[in-house]
Amino acid sequence: GAVVSQHPSWVICKSGTSVKIECRSLDFQATTMFWYRQFPKQSLMLMATSNEGSKATYEQGVEKDKFLINHASLTLSTLTVTSAHPEDSSFYICSAAGRLKWKLFFGSGTQLSVL
Amino acid sequence: AQKITQTQPGMFVQEKEAVTLDCTYDTSDQSYGLFWYKQPSSGEMIFLIYQGSYDEQNATEGRYSLNFQKARKSANLVISASQLGDSAMYFCAMREGGAAGNKLTFGGGTRVLVKP
Repeated sequence: GAVVSQHPSWVICKSGTSVKIECRSLDFQATTMFWYRQFPKQSLMLMATSNEGSKATYEQGVEKDKFLINHASLTLSTLTVTSAHPEDSSFYICSAAGRLKWKLFFGSGTQLSVL
Repeated sequence: AQKITQTQPGMFVQEKEAVTLDCTYDTSDQSYGLFWYKQPSSGEMIFLIYQGSYDEQNATEGRYSLNFQKARKSANLVISASQLGDSAMYFCAMREGGAAGNKLTFGGGTRVLVKP
């Protein structure tokens, strides 16, 4: 079946640095990928929709200059958390639709801890 | 208003018994889809089952079945013959039609703990 690979699985960084998270569709092309954020014991909240070859669409309240999304190819979307702060510490997870457009596959997630 | 509501924050179930996880939704779209995902402690989101709004029969996938009651806007997940490995968070999600595309809205989740 379709697989979405997400790296890194976890990252610890200092406050003020930037962190890049990659999301790859391994055996299918994904024109659209989604980035979610999940705080402990909470649900997934959609941050943005990543569209190949065009600008991402951000959900209300999500700072586009802080969470940079690049979807440069049909198999790769990246989320860069710029100038990270401790409040950015969270679980970030991406998803992509396979051939069956209704079926979304999720990456394994990235746990970000900002010190 | 919440689009997806899961009223059970957590529940225990005895191994080998069945468990029903509640999910109600709110949408004005005629075309939509309902999903259930399992999230173990590792964090990955595992797709369990899907129900389209126009599907006349309830979806089933192995031990998982979805009790779809369109008029009541509910999409409860039934797990039969619970196993210890079923202990996890379970999320109900909805995809609305039209411009929303494949964007999913998630419920708050239900934590299930299977007791031996």
